[in-house]
Amino acid sequence: GAGVSQSPRYKVAKRGQDVALRCDPISGHVSLFWYQQALGQGPEFLTYFQNEAQLDKSGLPSDRFFAERPEGSVSTLKIQRTQQEDSAVYLCASSLLAHTEAFFGQGTRLTVV
Amino acid sequence: ILNVEQSPQSLHVQEGDSTNFTCSFPSSNFYALHWYRWETAKSPEALFVMTLNGDEKKKGRISATLNTKEGYSYLYIKGSQPEDSATYLCAFFQTGANNLFFGTGTRLTVIP
Repeated sequence: GAGVSQSPRYKVAKRGQDVALRCDPISGHVSLFWYQQALGQGPEFLTYFQNEAQLDKSGLPSDRFFAERPEGSVSTLKIQRTQQEDSAVYLCASSLLAHTEAFFGQGTRLTVV
Repeated sequence: ILNVEQSPQSLHVQEGDSTNFTCSFPSSNFYALHWYRWETAKSPEALFVMTLNGDEKKKGRISATLNTKEGYSYLYIKGSQPEDSATYLCAFFQTGANNLFFGTGTRLTVIP
């Protein structure tokens, strides 16, 4: 596709459930980022991939969060044993290089009940 | 975590008014400053990517300036229209970093 695609758009999970959020970046984009946006806040960095290499995962809030990009294209953000504080919009963005214009998906809104 | 601050947090203006908002960022190790517009139910879209001190960029009625020595950027909207209503995010990229650090955004509402 022409843009960054994320799925699902909305996810309601029961507390303790595992979830997987998918990101299809723009073809050829080396850099891929995941951000978390809580209500009323700006996007906060979670993790960064350069091709298949996860170069920075310093923003992942706990060891329940795991991200992968095994073939350097599609990425999955997995959250295990979801908690209410995980409720947020999860944004994926890709760019040619880390500092160049980022193209965002529409996000996945996760609600943990 | 770098401190990127935007002000005001929200703003209501009348259609036709001009307005501006501020993004403040660390002045050391500057590499790039981005502005994004995020409309409700859409993805954030890049307005400007600025890299040089004194840079001034313009797109239609929207323009931005950059001062890397003092660590701020201004975004200006001339003759605001209802379709300008959105959250405007700035993001800072520092030399040696891997990611953009975003501010919390300025939510603009233009009243017809």
